[in-house]
Amino acid sequence: EAQVTQNPRYLITVTGKKLTVTCSQNMNHEYMSWYRQDPGLGLRQIYYSMNVEVTDKGDVPEGYKVSRKEKRNFPLILESPSPNQTSLYFCASSLSWKRVQYFGPGTRLLVL
Amino acid sequence: GQQVMQIPQYQHVQEGEDFTTYCNSSTTLSNIQWYKQRPGGHPVFLIQLVKSGEVKKQKRLTFQFGEAKKNSSLHITATQTTDVGTYFCAGPPSGGSYIPTFGRGTSLIVHP
Repeated sequence: EAQVTQNPRYLITVTGKKLTVTCSQNMNHEYMSWYRQDPGLGLRQIYYSMNVEVTDKGDVPEGYKVSRKEKRNFPLILESPSPNQTSLYFCASSLSWKRVQYFGPGTRLLVL
Repeated sequence: GQQVMQIPQYQHVQEGEDFTTYCNSSTTLSNIQWYKQRPGGHPVFLIQLVKSGEVKKQKRLTFQFGEAKKNSSLHITATQTTDVGTYFCAGPPSGGSYIPTFGRGTSLIVHP
């Protein structure tokens, strides 16, 4: 089954404790991205990747890092999480940046 | 940067009434995509429009792409409780940025 998976689905952590949210897709998509969703603000892109080893900032990249060492995986790293990063995070993949995006199930993060 | 405005933010309807959400971009779009997010779920692709003035239908849903490729609408005829959710438009700009911008979404609440 074609899908995007994310782990963990729910995470409670404390300020400053490094964490990684994994994302994997099995559709051989080149374009992958991370979004955060906050009430009233819709989906805002954090980082995107056009292909392996090619990443770039989205609209709200501050406080986040990503890497794309393999085509299928695109982890999101929060080196020093802060409470304002409490949000719902979605990973998405697509054949290209103009094409339909397939979203993962989401990761709900609470930073205390 | 590119902005995509979506109105209304919320819409309450009685079951059987029609519903329309509008999407307006500050720049010309390469295409327009519509997604639906059920409560507690992730965005799921509905349709993509590419051509200027294009109109597509999916059962009770009608999607339009404006002549200038800067605006779009989604119309639902005779809403049902299964239509509940948030509808997002997303538009990759036709030049420059590789970031598809999402509107903030319209949340549809259907009262039985």
